[in-house]
Amino acid sequence: DAGVIQSPRHEVTEMGQEVTLRCKPISGHNSLFWYRQTMMRGLELLIYFNNNVPIDDSGMPEDRFSAKMPNASFSTLKIQPSEPRDSAVYFCASSFITGAPSYEQYFGPGTRLTVT
Amino acid sequence: TQLLEQSPQFLSIQEGENLTVYCNSSSVFSSLQWYRQEPGEGPVLLVTVVTGGEVKKLKRLTFQFGDARKDSSLHITAAQTGDTGLYLCAVRRGKLIFGQGTELSVKP
Repeated sequence: DAGVIQSPRHEVTEMGQEVTLRCKPISGHNSLFWYRQTMMRGLELLIYFNNNVPIDDSGMPEDRFSAKMPNASFSTLKIQPSEPRDSAVYFCASSFITGAPSYEQYFGPGTRLTVT
Repeated sequence: TQLLEQSPQFLSIQEGENLTVYCNSSSVFSSLQWYRQEPGEGPVLLVTVVTGGEVKKLKRLTFQFGDARKDSSLHITAAQTGDTGLYLCAVRRGKLIFGQGTELSVKP
């Protein structure tokens, strides 16, 4: 199995530019999660989708961030305009949630974003 | 205030030593997970504990869930350089919430 695929792995951009991060979840999983990881704040959930529908976007920092999941095999996280404080590693994760009290999340390798 | 407090934040030891890291909270949880994140990669699930007092072993790693289901510990016996990484505990409150992690460095 290919696992969760993210692209690009590294992104360096200038302040004010639009950034689009991409994720392909594991085939058959019904839930997808976007996280941001920084030294200061650790691993934070930004948004998650269940069956392609956004369920909880309370972690999205502000209107500059948006996420879409047009189908079960693709999601994007967009930042427009980007700011230096958006610099972080962004992870995508997927799961198959059945209603059991716990489930495993499978993480992608992350996208390291640097905004100068 | 963090829901999950992990300690220590950083730990540097020599190969062969034993260590314990902790995940504490004032809240009760139905289950708790431990993940390990190696440099440049995403976190990988190590174990899920669900019963108060439960002990699970994964080779040299021993995980314990507190009797009151508020805390957990991870003990590593005879650490190896391959154990180096960030150890994260996580609980589900609707969504999965992670602690800040313990950064472990095992030196040869």
